[in-house]
This record gives sequence, structure tokens and C-alpha cells, in this order.
Amino acid sequence: GQSLEQPSEVTAVEGAIVQINCTYQTSGFYGLSWYQQHDGGAPTFLSYNALDGLEETGRFSSFLSRSDSYGYLLLQELQMKDSASYFCAVRLNTGGFKTIFGAGTRLFVKA
Amino acid sequence: DTAVSQTPKYLVTQMGNDKSIKCEQNLGHDTMYWYKQDSKKFLKIMFSYNNKELIINETVPNRFSPKSPDKAHLNLHINSLELGDSAVYFCASSQDRDSYEQYFGPGTRLTVT
Repeated sequence: GQSLEQPSEVTAVEGAIVQINCTYQTSGFYGLSWYQQHDGGAPTFLSYNALDGLEETGRFSSFLSRSDSYGYLLLQELQMKDSASYFCAVRLNTGGFKTIFGAGTRLFVKA
Repeated sequence: DTAVSQTPKYLVTQMGNDKSIKCEQNLGHDTMYWYKQDSKKFLKIMFSYNNKELIINETVPNRFSPKSPDKAHLNLHINSLELGDSAVYFCASSQDRDSYEQYFGPGTRLTVT
């Protein structure tokens, strides 16, 4: 079967750096995506890694290690507006390039 | 302009009823999806269409029937609604079936009483 593991909750203070980890067990792994979802809102795309290494987009960076079946999302200079749920999602190259989402990590940013 | 829109935003109905949710995207994308997000925020793929062709059909009760009249529209019809169908249903689209970036609609919160 396919499974993704990520922490259920993370708390950090404004201005800090936080890392949200994601481990996966899948067959047909193609890439790892990250989405942000505010309460009552829709998931929005943040980043994608198909190859090992770090991808940086502004304050957000995402890392992938295919050999370890592991990735993380790094959020720097945390702001209150970053309080949201963050989902890692595995893209599979089977079944029509299906995307499987993790259960999400709720990030609380405190002043 | 809204990229991916869904109607209605809220839907409250009784068990046993039949209801539909509509989705439209104006991004010119080829591929559209339906996801279900339960009360624990777990987001699960239900269906995907590429250019009106069904390409993903997950293990979903056959009370759920998607329809894509054209590549800009993907509707979801649900027959004989059950309490367990209560969830937020998200429509999404991507440039094509190979694209990793998905654009989500605002969601439809379905409550079955």
C-alpha cells in the first residue's frame, strides 16, 4: 500500500525557522509536492521535488532524498500568516499520475 | 477572475437525497480532479478526467458519479446520500495529466443530516 507520515502538529514562534518532515512508502514514486491550506480555504501549491536536493522559493524551501524516502518543508522567518496546515503529497507514475496526500501538519505560529 | 470555481459552496441535505456539485475552470487546463476531505482533513483523490476522459477512478461507492461535459467542467453527482458522505469536496485542475501543480477550487462543504 501507499503511506505518508508527517507530524500532526508543530508550534513555532514568529521569526523562527521550522521544518516539517515527511516520510513515504509508495510504489511508483515520481515526485513530492507540498501544499498549504488555511482553515476554511483551499489547498494551494507550494513546491515540488522530483530529484534529490533542495528547492528554494522565497521563505519556503523543500528537500527530497529519494534513497531515504524522505522529504521536508522548511519555512524561514515565520509569520503569523503561516499558521495553516501543510500537506506533503506523493506523485505516483502509476494509475494515471495520481497524487496521494499525507494527513497534514498543523503549524501554529505564536507571537 | 476565479481560476477554479465550485457551486454550491455549502450544501445541507438529508440522508437518501441526490445532489450535484459543479466545477468549472477557466485556466485552459486539460485535467480535472475531485477530492474528498474528511473531518480530520485527510484529502483523498476520488476521480480524475483528462480531456473529458476518465483516467483515475478510486475505490469510491458507485453512488458517486462524475461527469465531464467538456474539459472546462467536471461535475459530481451523488445518489442516496449517507451520513458518511459529509465532508468538503474539492475540485482541482492541472495543465495536463503529467503536471504536478494542481489548482484547487474553494471547496463544497456537504452536510448530510
